[in-house]
Amino acid sequence: KQEVTQIPAALSVPEGENLVLNCSFTDSAIYNLQWFRQDPGKGLTSLLLIQSSQREQTSGRLNASLDKSSGRSTLYIAASQPGDSATYLCAVDGSSNTGKLIFGQGTTLQVKP
Amino acid sequence: DAGVTQSPTHLIKTRGQQVTLRCSPKSGHDTVSWYQQALGQGPQFIFQYYEEEERQRGNFPDRFSGHQFPNYSSELNVNALLLGDSALYLCASSFFQGRNNEQFFGPGTRLTVL
Repeated sequence: KQEVTQIPAALSVPEGENLVLNCSFTDSAIYNLQWFRQDPGKGLTSLLLIQSSQREQTSGRLNASLDKSSGRSTLYIAASQPGDSATYLCAVDGSSNTGKLIFGQGTTLQVKP
Repeated sequence: DAGVTQSPTHLIKTRGQQVTLRCSPKSGHDTVSWYQQALGQGPQFIFQYYEEEERQRGNFPDRFSGHQFPNYSSELNVNALLLGDSALYLCASSFFQGRNNEQFFGPGTRLTVL
């Protein structure tokens, strides 16, 4: 059974810092991995999707990496801003490409001005 | 290009009642999945609809049922509501034959059961 874990559960940093959010999964047979952002009480915004054949994806100040063999993904946020404050969730889609996402519990990020 | 839409935004029900939530997928998408997100937790997969059929289901009781219409929109029905059903219900859409099966989520429906 696939399990996804995100550490830490919460993180507080001063504005301008570079930071890394971690995601680990127990079954390396995945089709893809997505990172999402969620503002309080809102829906999920897709940030980056990494297919199993890829090692990383970049979008603006965000870079996500994937290491299937170790069951890990990281989301790197460069030059953090107060507007980056939100909960970040990672989710894996199993090897059969079913579209059924298994989520971690998220990391709540606070960027202080 | 409209994204995924959900209605209503908020809903308050009492125990034992029934509720229907609605979702319209992103333009060009044909698959709808429903998730339940309890406070402070990650979303949990309820079920997925494609071609008007339930394709796969998570670990949820039969009180949770759904439907997909020919225009790809979907409904989630919950019968005999329990206090524990209070959560944010999220709808996600995708294109079944898509290369990467990226999921796009709606804003959610906040259900409170009193």
